[in-house]
Amino acid sequence: EDQVTQSPEALRLQEGESSSLNCSYTVSGLRGLFWYRQDPGKGPEFLFTLYSAGEEKEKERLKATLTKKESFLHITAPKPEDSATYLCAVVSSNTGKLIFGQGTTLQVKP
Amino acid sequence: DTGVSQNPRHKITKRGQNVTFRCDPISEHNRLYWYRQTLGQGPEFLTYFQNEAQLEKSRLLSDRFSAERPKGSFSTLEIQRTEQGDSAMYLCASSLGTGGKNGYTFGSGTRLTVV
Repeated sequence: EDQVTQSPEALRLQEGESSSLNCSYTVSGLRGLFWYRQDPGKGPEFLFTLYSAGEEKEKERLKATLTKKESFLHITAPKPEDSATYLCAVVSSNTGKLIFGQGTTLQVKP
Repeated sequence: DTGVSQNPRHKITKRGQNVTFRCDPISEHNRLYWYRQTLGQGPEFLTYFQNEAQLEKSRLLSDRFSAERPKGSFSTLEIQRTEQGDSAMYLCASSLGTGGKNGYTFGSGTRLTVV
């Protein structure tokens, strides 16, 4: 069964303190791995899609990488406005549905 | 296009009542998904449609839940005989195929509170 596990569950950083979020997955044929940002009371907002091991995507202070078993979301010099829950999800070649992890809640203090 | 629209934004209902939510996807998207999210958890898959066909329904979903997508446009999710455990955020998403470089676009959700 397809499964996604994210760690840590919660992360507190000082402004400017870089760190990484982990997403481990097991899937029967990866069609795509997705990263989303979710603010309280809102729907998830799309960040990146990664398709194959070795692929990297960047957007402002965020960089996502992918291996055969996990993905990392690197946050460089975060700002308080980066505070949110970051969700990782996979789509397998057997089905078209997104399977989500439980998310990592990031808090960046000024 | 203004994205995925969900109505209502909030719904409070008494236990045992039926509720219906509506989702209007991005017009050119052929796939539509329903998810449920509780506090501190990631979205949990409920069901999805390709055009008007319902392709998969979570085995965790009780028979009290039903979804439709007439004519492959908007979709409705109905919960019959609501229970307190049904309290959650119900999210709708749409995509063109399996998302690709633009991902799956989510609406703002409908928050259901069963009292």
